[in-house]
Amino acid sequence: GDSVTQMEGPVTLSEEAFLTINCTYTATGYPSLFWYVQYPGEGLQLLLKATKADDKGSNKGFEATYRKETTSFHLEKGSVQVSDSAVYFCALARQTGANNLFFGTGTRLTVIP
Amino acid sequence: EAGVTQFPSHSVIEKGQTVTLRCDPISGHDNLYWYRRVMGKEIKFLLHFVKESKQDESGMPNNRFLAERTGGTYSTLKVQPAELEDSGVYFCASSPLSAKQFFGPGTRLTVL
Repeated sequence: GDSVTQMEGPVTLSEEAFLTINCTYTATGYPSLFWYVQYPGEGLQLLLKATKADDKGSNKGFEATYRKETTSFHLEKGSVQVSDSAVYFCALARQTGANNLFFGTGTRLTVIP
Repeated sequence: EAGVTQFPSHSVIEKGQTVTLRCDPISGHDNLYWYRRVMGKEIKFLLHFVKESKQDESGMPNNRFLAERTGGTYSTLKVQPAELEDSGVYFCASSPLSAKQFFGPGTRLTVL
């Protein structure tokens, strides 16, 4: 079945450090891929997405590239800020049929000044 | 525009009791989803409404869970009787037809 495997946390980085959170997926067909972020006390927010192979999603300095050959969608940011501290979830949705999302376990990121 | 709201934000109940969670989607969103995150694990899909109809309830864990969506507006998720393993965070999301999902802040349920 469809699933997402996400790098386990927690991850603690100093401000301005480089961030990578790994995400790989298993799916039939060609899913859409997403990164969601949950800031403390808030709901999940869509951070970025990619709908086909080699697409790059980007937002707020974060990037992720849809790699079909490695079934991956790793999240990266060149210089993290304290305000990036949150839980990050990788997710996929089938392109056709049901629109429900399949999520990874989430990675908690803490950025220290 | 108001976002997706969920009530209550926290609920602590004893095993065997009943709890009802409520979700108010964004106005005009036909699609409504329920998800659950058990401690430390992935967020799992529970069910999907299109207006008042259940489109997909394949993720509902067992018949102790009952979801309704009155008149295609707000939705409730009732757990009766609650068990320890039902503890977790329950998320609701809504979307217009075939578009990105907007999530609520979640309800944290603790069953003692």
